[in-house]
Amino acid sequence: AQTVTQSQPEMSVQEAETVTLSCTYDTSESDYYLFWYKQPPSRQMILVIRQEAYKQQNATENRFSVNFQKAAKSFSLKISDSQLGDAAMYFCAYRTGANSKLTFGKGITLSVRP
Amino acid sequence: DTEVTQTPKHLVMGMTNKKSLKCEQHMGHRAMYWYKQKAKKPPELMFVYSYEKLSINESVPSRFSPECPNSSLLNLHLHALQPEDSALYLCASSQEPSGSIRETQYFGPGTRLLVL
Repeated sequence: AQTVTQSQPEMSVQEAETVTLSCTYDTSESDYYLFWYKQPPSRQMILVIRQEAYKQQNATENRFSVNFQKAAKSFSLKISDSQLGDAAMYFCAYRTGANSKLTFGKGITLSVRP
Repeated sequence: DTEVTQTPKHLVMGMTNKKSLKCEQHMGHRAMYWYKQKAKKPPELMFVYSYEKLSINESVPSRFSPECPNSSLLNLHLHALQPEDSALYLCASSQEPSGSIRETQYFGPGTRLLVL
């Protein structure tokens, strides 16, 4: 079974600092996509970043970058220069072509201290 | 443009009511999805439409009835709901058909449903 694990339910970061959110997954597939979604208290789920398993280069989107370790099945999200607007629930998700379902982790609530 | 719109934003209904949730996207996406989300939990997939045809039903009770009148519109008809059905209902769409490895889902803002 495909699983996505986000072991930390909550994290806190000082504004302007860097924080890393961890995510591990379990799969026997070789081709898959990984995603990080952000859901602020206003509730709309927003795609932050995505990574294709075949690409060795880690994806980056402005202040957001991932550390993709395929052998370790790890997909962590680094947020640099944290801003108050980064406060949200972050979900790691995974999908393969063999299964059209997005498998989500339990999510992590990130708070940003001014 | 990755906008998915949902109406209404909030809905309160009694257990005997019939209501509908609406989702629209004008991005030419070929797959649309309904999710149910409880507070502080990840979304749970309910239905998937691919090319306007129902491709996945995650064993959802029949009191939830999806409908895809055209490629831009997705409805969720609600009837005889229970209080435990109170949740945030999210719609999503993706450009690639459901099942494609390149599929990336974009979510709408959701409808907050309260069943009394």
